[in-house]
Order: sequence, then C-alpha cells, then structure tokens
Amino acid sequence: DGGITQSPKYLFRKEGQNVTLSCEQNLNHDAMYWYRQDPGQGLRLIYYSQIVNDFQKGDIAEGYSVSREKKESFPLTVTSAQKNPTAFYLCASAAQLNTEAFFGQGTRLTVV
Amino acid sequence: KQEVTQIPAALSVPEGENLVLNCSFTDSAIYNLQWFRQDPGKGLTSLLLIQSSQREQTSGRLNASLDKSSGRSTLYIAASQPGDSATYLCAVKGPDSWGKLQFGAGTQVVVTP
Repeated sequence: DGGITQSPKYLFRKEGQNVTLSCEQNLNHDAMYWYRQDPGQGLRLIYYSQIVNDFQKGDIAEGYSVSREKKESFPLTVTSAQKNPTAFYLCASAAQLNTEAFFGQGTRLTVV
Repeated sequence: KQEVTQIPAALSVPEGENLVLNCSFTDSAIYNLQWFRQDPGKGLTSLLLIQSSQREQTSGRLNASLDKSSGRSTLYIAASQPGDSATYLCAVKGPDSWGKLQFGAGTQVVVTP
C-alpha cells in the first residue's frame, strides 16, 4: 500500500530533551511537509522540502530542525529550544506544486 | 497574506439532511483548493482537490465548488450519515511558498441518527 507512515503515534518528551519524529513515504513524491496542529487552530507549516538535501523554513520553524537525506524520509527534530512543543504533528507529501497533498496519521507529542 | 476562514465552526444535522460547508479565502491567486476530513486523533484524509481553473469537483456524495473571484468554496455532502461526523478542513495552495497549504480552522460536523 502506498502512503505516508509517521512514527511513533505517541511521544513523551522531558524538559530539555530533543526528540525526533519519523516520516516515511513510498509515493515517490518530491515534496514533503511538516505541520503542527493545536486545538481550535488551523494547521501551521513548520518546514518543507522540495527535493533531497534541500528544505525551507515555514511559518513556525523556531525550535525545530529537519533533514532530507533520502527522497522517502523527512524526519523532524523538536529541540529543547521549542518552548511549547505539546501538539499534534502531521507530515504530508505531494508529487508536484499543484497536485494533491496526502497526510500521515500524525504523532502526538506531550511534554512531561 | 492569505487567510482562510471556515464558518460555522460547528454544525449538527439529523441523518439524511444535506450538509453545506463553507470556506472563504482572501487572496484569489491560488493554484488549487483541497478539502480534507479529520477524525478525532487521526490524520487528514483528502476528499477533493479543485484546481484553480475548475468550477467544481465531484466524488460520490461529495461535491465541491470553487468561485475564485469571490474567494469562496463550498463542500456539499448529500444525504448525510452518522459516519460523516468529523471535522472538515479546507486548504488553499498559492504561489507564495512552494506547495504550502494554508488551512482554515475547520468545521466540526455531527450527524445525529
């Protein structure tokens, strides 16, 4: 089955700790995205990548980092600099600029 | 800056009624508009994609229209069922940032049996 796989489904982070969220797609899409969703708010873009070894900051990139070493993979690291990381994180991909976007099932991150 | 608004924020209808969900956007310079469904605690499921050159798109009981000049899209769901209960999100893709989707806050729909 083609799709986007995010792991883990739930993640708990201690204060001062970095954590990495995984996103893998087997759709052969060039573009990949990370969004953050908070209750009552629309999704906000964290980072996006058009091609391997290239990525750009979105609207709320502070406290986050990404890499794009393989076309299929776009991991997101939530660093200790992110002051309010508790949220639902969604990874997406699209073949091209004006094509349909597909989303993974999300990772819920909680600070403990 | 593009802003996307969905009104109402919540909607409750009895089973069998048609659902009408609204989405408005401030900048008509879009590539496309996409409607999604989100169940509680889950990711987004794509329902329909309308390119900027299209007026409407249909899939089964779902029909979405696009009026780019007035900055509006409407999602119609015919003969609603309890299984249609979910949050519906619209998002527009514009030329300002490569492939970025600008989302509305969503409309939470409850279909009562």
